[in-house]
Amino acid sequence: ETGVTQSPTHLIKTRGQQVTLRCSSQSGHNTVSWYQQALGQGPQFIFQYYREEENGRGNFPPRFSGLQFPNYSSELNVNALELDDSALYLCASSLGGAGGRNEQFFGPGTRLTVL
Amino acid sequence: AQKVTQAQTEISVVEKEDVTLDCVYETRDTTYYLFWYKQPPSGELVFLIRRNSFDEQNEISGRYSWNFQKSTSSFNFTITASQVVDSAVYFCALAHGTTGNQFYFGTGTSLTVIP
Repeated sequence: ETGVTQSPTHLIKTRGQQVTLRCSSQSGHNTVSWYQQALGQGPQFIFQYYREEENGRGNFPPRFSGLQFPNYSSELNVNALELDDSALYLCASSLGGAGGRNEQFFGPGTRLTVL
Repeated sequence: AQKVTQAQTEISVVEKEDVTLDCVYETRDTTYYLFWYKQPPSGELVFLIRRNSFDEQNEISGRYSWNFQKSTSSFNFTITASQVVDSAVYFCALAHGTTGNQFYFGTGTSLTVIP
């Protein structure tokens, strides 16, 4: 069974740029959730994709957007980067869409630094 | 509103001591799920346990045990005979039972086990 993978591992961008982060879900999982984890904080939910549709969104501005592909892999796009976007971005895959009954399995994360 | 509080920011114990990590949650849902995750220095969140709101039985898995008490809205985690490999940040999380998709994480407890 293949686990959740994310790329790249680290990324450095400057303010105002755009970035795309990628996630491959665990084999057999059809749901991907994205979280932002600032230093010393718990992960904050950005949004979730289930069968290629957005299936819930946290309190993040529209410049955070995403996609899910037919193979259930996913992208997180952030436009007009701000210094506060510097964080660890975690992708989690799970089985099923609604409700929290299914545990989420996390990838290693992408560390984004905005200068 | 959904909220998870982990009041202990940092804990240090000597190897072989027992340690309990506290988690208090708030929710108006009658159906919900509680989780514990471990985050080692590598950054990847590792799933430890899931508990639904209708199952208040305590659970033991090796050196790990969990005490779920709905009366006090707590879901505490105890490590018995701690080991250096237990050093990590531990997160408690809450999810809706039937609607919504996000996990609400606490701010985490950083555990250091001193050899």
